[in-house]
Amino acid sequence: GAVVSQHPSRVICKSGTSVKIECRSLDFQATTMFWYRQFPKQSLMLMATSNEGSKATYEQGVEKDKFLINHASLTLSTLTVTSAHPEDSSFYICSARAFASGPQTSTDTQYFGPGTRLTVL
Amino acid sequence: AQKVTQAQTEISVVEKEDVTLDCVYETRDTTYYLFWYKQPPSGELVFLIRRNSFDEQNEISGRYSWNFQKSTSSFNFTITASQVVDSAVYFCALSELFNAGKSTFGDGTTLTVKP
Repeated sequence: GAVVSQHPSRVICKSGTSVKIECRSLDFQATTMFWYRQFPKQSLMLMATSNEGSKATYEQGVEKDKFLINHASLTLSTLTVTSAHPEDSSFYICSARAFASGPQTSTDTQYFGPGTRLTVL
Repeated sequence: AQKVTQAQTEISVVEKEDVTLDCVYETRDTTYYLFWYKQPPSGELVFLIRRNSFDEQNEISGRYSWNFQKSTSSFNFTITASQVVDSAVYFCALSELFNAGKSTFGDGTTLTVKP
């Protein structure tokens, strides 16, 4: 099946530094990718929708200058947490949408990456 | 706005017991997808099932079964003869039809299966 990778899987950084997380669709092209955040023992919250070649769409309450998203190619989206602080420590999960439309059928499937655990000291 | 409610925060059962995880959803859309995911301690989400709102047929996959009832906006998940390996957090989620990636998740149910 389709695979989505994330890199790094785990990162520890000092407060004030910026951290970049990559999300790649390995065997399909994804015009749309999504970034979620999950705090310990909580649910996944959608942060933003990343569209290839255009600006990301952020959910209400998510600071776009804090969480920079770039979707430069059909297989790669990056999330940069700028000037990270301890409250940004979380599990960040991306997903990639595989959508195909044919004359009679269409498919629309979401594949999740394995997640990146960010710890800001 | 969409909302998913998983009223059971934690469930503990003994191995071989059957267990049902409840999911109730709210949406103004007439067409939508419903999902169940499993999240083991490693954190990686494991896809279990997707249902579209057109299809109210119940589904069985091995020890897993799902009961979708549009009339009550529920999409419950039953594990038959539970095993220790079933211990995980289970999430129910909802998305617009043909926008599967933009999902609203429930708060999750932590299932512990004791030997």
